[in-house]
Amino acid sequence: KNEVEQSPQNLTAQEGEFITINCSYSVGISALHWLQQHPGGGIVSLFMLSSGKKKHGRLIATINIQEKHSSLHITASHPRDSAVYICAVQSNNDMRFGAGTRLTVKP
Amino acid sequence: EAGVTQFPSHSVIEKGQTVTLRCDPISGHDNLYWYRRVMGKEIKFLLHFVKESKQDESGMPNNRFLAERTGGTYSTLKVQPAELEDSGVYFCASSPTLDWGSEAFFGQGTRLTVV
Repeated sequence: KNEVEQSPQNLTAQEGEFITINCSYSVGISALHWLQQHPGGGIVSLFMLSSGKKKHGRLIATINIQEKHSSLHITASHPRDSAVYICAVQSNNDMRFGAGTRLTVKP
Repeated sequence: EAGVTQFPSHSVIEKGQTVTLRCDPISGHDNLYWYRRVMGKEIKFLLHFVKESKQDESGMPNNRFLAERTGGTYSTLKVQPAELEDSGVYFCASSPTLDWGSEAFFGQGTRLTVV
């Protein structure tokens, strides 16, 4: 079993829909990252969380340390949000990655 | 402040050739990590430098891969000789410390294609 599990693996939405991507982990962590990988391969760090909630534009990330769970929400989704979203956890000296969620937003 | 930068952004080489990827971490960051994502699979850890020392290289796939970080600044990852299965996107990240909540910053990656 992977130490970082994401769901869903694939997600197709219509423009304007509210989107949630989930991440559960089984190890103790010092921080959790949400990353966005575009089709060209480039990676963007969206959020780094150690507690609570962060918001940037239409993106919201939450983390529940007790439940070992984080969610990434996208409000008013847009086709340009189409990408792979990756959850990564920092655990001591190590970074462990989820398999990613492929999001496609259709106009 | 400049972020983590990687060079080149894309590289296409023939099987058997040598390729060197470079990562410039954020100035002052002691920790530097290399990862790669091969097609269709999740990102995998390759190795971790603390300054110029290899803290953990357990993720290096084989001895065709050589990473260096002379002087504790930028790092290079050499693949020699490259094989088809080495194709993928190679990412670098850096962080200042290993303390709680210390943020890691990611480079945009180098897409390597071995033909």
